[in-house]
Amino acid sequence: DGGITQSPKYLFRKEGQNVTLSCEQNLNHDAMYWYRQDPGQGLRLIYYSQIVNDFQKGDIAEGYSVSREKKESFPLTVTSAQKNPTAFYLCASSRGLQWSEPETQYFGPGTRLLVL
Amino acid sequence: AQSVTQLGSHVSVSEGALVLLRCNYSSSVPPYLFWYVQYPNQGLQLLLKYTSAATLVKGINGFEAEFKKSETSFHLTKPSAHMSDAAEYFCAVSAGGYSTLTFGKGTMLLVSP
Repeated sequence: DGGITQSPKYLFRKEGQNVTLSCEQNLNHDAMYWYRQDPGQGLRLIYYSQIVNDFQKGDIAEGYSVSREKKESFPLTVTSAQKNPTAFYLCASSRGLQWSEPETQYFGPGTRLLVL
Repeated sequence: AQSVTQLGSHVSVSEGALVLLRCNYSSSVPPYLFWYVQYPNQGLQLLLKYTSAATLVKGINGFEAEFKKSETSFHLTKPSAHMSDAAEYFCAVSAGGYSTLTFGKGTMLLVSP
């Protein structure tokens, strides 16, 4: 089955600790995205990547970092600089951003990050 | 710049009643519009999308939405609510090309028996 997997489902972070959220897709999509979801705030874009070894900041990139070394993988690191990391994190992918019509984004099941 | 406003953070309906979830957009270019649904503790699933082919768009699970340029709206409707429709619904807009999606804050649909 093609799809997006995120792990772990729940993640706990201690103060001052960096944590990494995994996102893998087997849809052969070029573009991948990370969103943060807070209650009543909708989804806010953290980072996105249109191609391997390239990524762009979204609306709320401060305190986060990403890498895109492989087409199928787009891990997100929540650094200690992110002072309010408790949220639900969603990864998505799409065929790409170069098409005239925007491609449908497909979402993973999410990772809930909690601070101890 | 583009933005989306969803009126009503919560909407309550009875089973069998009409569902109407409101979405208004702002875009400097002709928009592409989407509705996604999210069940508790899950990712988002596409319900339908408008890409200028037809103003009335039919989606999955009996939902449909009508693009009204004069009202800058893209409201989601379903003639008869089912208990399984209880979820959070997000409207999103894109300008196409290299633009990313901008999401609204979501509307929680509550369905009572």
